[in-house]
Amino acid sequence: QKEVEQDPGPLSVPEGAIVSLNCTYSNSAFQYFMWYRQYSRKGPELLMYTYSSGNKEDGRFTAQVDKSSKYISLFIRDSQPSDSATYLCAMSALGGQNFVFGPGTRLSVLP
Amino acid sequence: EPEVTQTPSHQVTQMGQEVILRCVPISNHLYFYWYRQILGQKVEFLVSFYNNEISEKSEIFDDQFSVERPDGSNFTLKIRSTKLEDSAMYFCASSEEVGGQGDYGYTFGSGTRLTVV
Repeated sequence: QKEVEQDPGPLSVPEGAIVSLNCTYSNSAFQYFMWYRQYSRKGPELLMYTYSSGNKEDGRFTAQVDKSSKYISLFIRDSQPSDSATYLCAMSALGGQNFVFGPGTRLSVLP
Repeated sequence: EPEVTQTPSHQVTQMGQEVILRCVPISNHLYFYWYRQILGQKVEFLVSFYNNEISEKSEIFDDQFSVERPDGSNFTLKIRSTKLEDSAMYFCASSEEVGGQGDYGYTFGSGTRLTVV
């Protein structure tokens, strides 16, 4: 089993839709969870950062962590064509110095 | 907004040659990282660097690779005797806290696309 898994997509939605992106993981030691957005030929850009379980909201983005299920989600409300990108989840164990990235989900928001 | 700057944006090199990828991290950051992303694959950790020494490295980061902070601003990744399979995007990142565990996580540069021919 891979350490971090994501549905690679592509996921196509109409503008204005609510998007749900998910990652599952196998290492119960992971405590820190991040979501990155990566445009083509660009470096990953941090969207959301959460610690342990719970929800965090920032504008149109909501991150959820369910450690009991080893499952994290990113919700995008009122999706825009500019949200079209690859979304990467990343996670780290407490005190870890590097994050393990998922393979990414490619999202396309159609006008 | 502060940025991590990487140069060059694209480098083509012949197999067996040495390349140096350069990065200028955010000035008040203390922790520096190199990641790579082979086309169509996930972002992979290579190495982290703190206080002028390697603090953690992955299995990928073997004797072919080395990192250096030659002055107060630059952070370099040297790849010796390049192989075809070294072709990838190489991302530099920096953070204020270990593992990017502050509210800001890592800040990534835009990457250097290395093509080995």
